[in-house]
Amino acid sequence: GAGVSQSPRYKVAKRGQDVALRCDPISGHVSLFWYQQALGQGPEFLTYFQNEAQLDKSGLPSDRFFAERPEGSVSTLKIQRTQQEDSAVYLCASSLSSGGPRDQYFGPGTRLLVL
Amino acid sequence: GNSVTQMEGPVTLSEEAFLTINCTYTATGYPSLFWYVQYPGEGLQLLLKATKADDKGSNKGFEATYRKETTSFHLEKGSVQVSDSAVYFCALTNGGSNYKLTFGKGTLLTVNP
Repeated sequence: GAGVSQSPRYKVAKRGQDVALRCDPISGHVSLFWYQQALGQGPEFLTYFQNEAQLDKSGLPSDRFFAERPEGSVSTLKIQRTQQEDSAVYLCASSLSSGGPRDQYFGPGTRLLVL
Repeated sequence: GNSVTQMEGPVTLSEEAFLTINCTYTATGYPSLFWYVQYPGEGLQLLLKATKADDKGSNKGFEATYRKETTSFHLEKGSVQVSDSAVYFCALTNGGSNYKLTFGKGTLLTVNP
């Protein structure tokens, strides 16, 4: 079946622009996660949804970052007034279950470059 | 807090060589441990996992054993192939936030024919 998809795959933004990154999880997956991966680093947790509820947003680096999943399926990560330090790969992952340690399935990521 | 430390890369091996990528962790309690792999141009894929001490995770010829006494989860493969060339990430989840993966920095493996 189809895996997690993300769009766009690449995004170049001028400093100060707003961007929106989309994630389509695997159908039926309850849990959805966003991670940020800086160059040469491992992914870092941003936020977690269980269905449409955002249960953890502790990893969002500033109030310029906002995520939503209004119908419990597709999710959008929005970054307002982008800064150069926002340049990274943004990974989305989904998981079938909602409890305990769970297998997370990752999308290919969106590579954001802020000039 | 939780953290994962992996051996620095890059690691370059010849085909059929033995592979070890070291991973140690810091966490309270009993974390679950994972290895993820990222092939060129692709997303992260779960390679193997172990959820309690002394468990061995295995997949595609790779193995890792959860050693609580040494807080380690080293990845091993007896005979690597060119197709194993990728970046390998050790990760853990723990405690009340057991959905949140904490990753190491990754180790780039290149296998030459």
